[in-house]
Amino acid sequence: AQSVTQLDSQVPVFEEAPVELRCNYSSSVSVYLFWYVQYPNQGLQLLLKYLSGSTLVESINGFEAEFNKSQTSFHLRKPSVHISDTAEYFCAVTRGRSGGYQKVTFGTGTKLQVIP
Amino acid sequence: DAGVTQSPTHLIKTRGQQVTLRCSPKSGHDTVSWYQQALGQGPQFIFQYYEEEERQRGNFPDRFSGHQFPNYSSELNVNALLLGDSALYLCASSRDGGGEQYFGPGTRLTVT
Repeated sequence: AQSVTQLDSQVPVFEEAPVELRCNYSSSVSVYLFWYVQYPNQGLQLLLKYLSGSTLVESINGFEAEFNKSQTSFHLRKPSVHISDTAEYFCAVTRGRSGGYQKVTFGTGTKLQVIP
Repeated sequence: DAGVTQSPTHLIKTRGQQVTLRCSPKSGHDTVSWYQQALGQGPQFIFQYYEEEERQRGNFPDRFSGHQFPNYSSELNVNALLLGDSALYLCASSRDGGGEQYFGPGTRLTVT
């Protein structure tokens, strides 16, 4: 079985400051890892993903995450946040093989609040 | 390219009633998964459909059932509604059951 732990339920940060949202996973097999963002009263949007290859993955809006297999982590970072980044962020994991009808396991979410 | 669509957007039902939620997957996707997201929680996996069959199921009672049609769209049915079934129900689609899933906007179900 796989699991995801998001260590912080809420993270307040001032605008233009850096931020890190922490995510640790547990799995006995190889994994795919994802970060999703959810704005109020909306569904989830895929922010970035790690499937294979380079352990550092980036999104189009400045977020990045690094897969660290030894620490079983996939922390999300942004060097300078904007007010529009205020949202809830979910880390998710699934087994790392294709065609396997894999369910996705989500963490409990981290609410990022950007303070003007 | 149309993304994942869900209907209705909002729904209010009474305890004991039955409800049907609908989902159309992203173009080119053949797998649909359903999730329940209670207030303040992360999404919880309900089940996944591929080739019109339920392939995987999470820890949800038999009151929760589903169906997938030949055009890959899907329905989620919940019988004998309980107050605790109030949640945002999310549909996600993917290709060949892969882990990269695209989510719809959700259906907000309120049970009174």
